[in-house]
Amino acid sequence: GAGVSQSPSNKVTEKGKDVELRCDPISGHTALYWYRQSLGQGLEFLIYFQGNSAPDKSGLPSDRFSAERTGGSVSTLTIQRTQQEDSAVYLCASSQVIGGNEQFFGPGTRLTVL
Amino acid sequence: KEVEQDPGPFNVPEGATVAFNCTYSDRGSQSFFWYRQYSGKSPELIMFIYSNGDKEDGRFTAQLNRASQYISLLIRDSKLSDSATYLCVVNTGGSYIPTFGRGTSLIVHP
Repeated sequence: GAGVSQSPSNKVTEKGKDVELRCDPISGHTALYWYRQSLGQGLEFLIYFQGNSAPDKSGLPSDRFSAERTGGSVSTLTIQRTQQEDSAVYLCASSQVIGGNEQFFGPGTRLTVL
Repeated sequence: KEVEQDPGPFNVPEGATVAFNCTYSDRGSQSFFWYRQYSGKSPELIMFIYSNGDKEDGRFTAQLNRASQYISLLIRDSKLSDSATYLCVVNTGGSYIPTFGRGTSLIVHP
């Protein structure tokens, strides 16, 4: 079956612009995660969605970051007024929580803020 | 909650056996994972382990020691394609948000 997909694969934007990153999880996976990985660094947790529950936003670095998940499937991560320090690879992962918490990652979106 | 890994790099010849350790601080941790991440790619799951002891899958063996709060990954008969960063990931029972280690770099040379 299809894995986790993300779009765009690359995004170059100017400082101050808003960007939207999309994630399509594996069908049937109830949990969806967003992470950020800067060059040479570890994964930084951003936000977690589980079914219809309120998302855990504890990892969002500022109020410029927001995310939503429509219909329990596709998720969009929005970064407003982008800054150069937002440049990173944004990774989405999904998991079938009931069966275990193994996460399956998408290919990521590489964001470059000029 | 912390997960600690030796960043390496571990530099080994093809065919060697290599082991990575990972320690975690939260004694309530329930599930443990090893992911592999090639340069410029996203992490992919290698193994998960929930019970104390060893779990083998082909050339890979994961070991969990809850008393000492560490897990390890053993790779036998290393191949060039094993060159990657290995991420240790830990989940506590009360949260579905995993804690990632910063990874251990492995370089397998001919």
